[in-house]
Amino acid sequence: EIVLTQSPGTLSLSPGDRATLSCRSSQTISSSYLAWYQQKPGQAPRLLIYGTSNRAPGIPDRFSGSGPGTDLSGRDFTLTVSSLEPEDFAVYYCQQYGSLPLYSFGQGTKLEIK
Amino acid sequence: VQLVQSGAEVGKPGESLKISCRASGYTFTNYWIAWVRQMPGKGLEWMGIIYPGDSQTTYSPSFHGHVTISVDKSITTTYLHWGSLKASDTAIYFCARLDEPMGSYYFDYWGQGTLVTVSS
Repeated sequence: EIVLTQSPGTLSLSPGDRATLSCRSSQTISSSYLAWYQQKPGQAPRLLIYGTSNRAPGIPDRFSGSGPGTDLSGRDFTLTVSSLEPEDFAVYYCQQYGSLPLYSFGQGTKLEIK
Repeated sequence: VQLVQSGAEVGKPGESLKISCRASGYTFTNYWIAWVRQMPGKGLEWMGIIYPGDSQTTYSPSFHGHVTISVDKSITTTYLHWGSLKASDTAIYFCARLDEPMGSYYFDYWGQGTLVTVSS
């Protein structure tokens, strides 16, 4: 079973700051299989990034994804928001496709206003 | 593309319940539809997925045997069914369309969510 661990649990930043969110997989996964979502209170999740680094249609270019990390283990992925806008404060989830469960999500990172 | 879910439901432990997700704006039989649970104040959990073209279904081990996912192609609707509700089923349930271009797998469109409350 592949487990995704997101860090930090909560990130407190100010508008204009750069946000870096981490997602670590318990096993190596293909970069094609990693996606990121944003969820605001009372709303459904919204796709931000797919295939590790491809922005979904309509997603601003201040959002970017990267990975796997420099340890070459194929397990570390990052979502970066280059300059936070007020509407970016939300919860972010990474998601993978792989062995059972076929799909799984990280536990989420809450991005809150400092 | 739209996924429109049925309204909030209240049920008692032991009762059966079925919620729905109606799709429009694309070829329904060409895309998998998944169900995702979000318990109060918690994260997202993938429950299972169905391919409307042939009704092939896969469940997460965590939900297998407790829920049933089905489809009615004639009305482009997917269902999530409980045979016997538990209090721990209280949650918001989302349906989501799976896109899988060139080996990537992600959920590109989501329903608005259905709140299910189970209480005696």
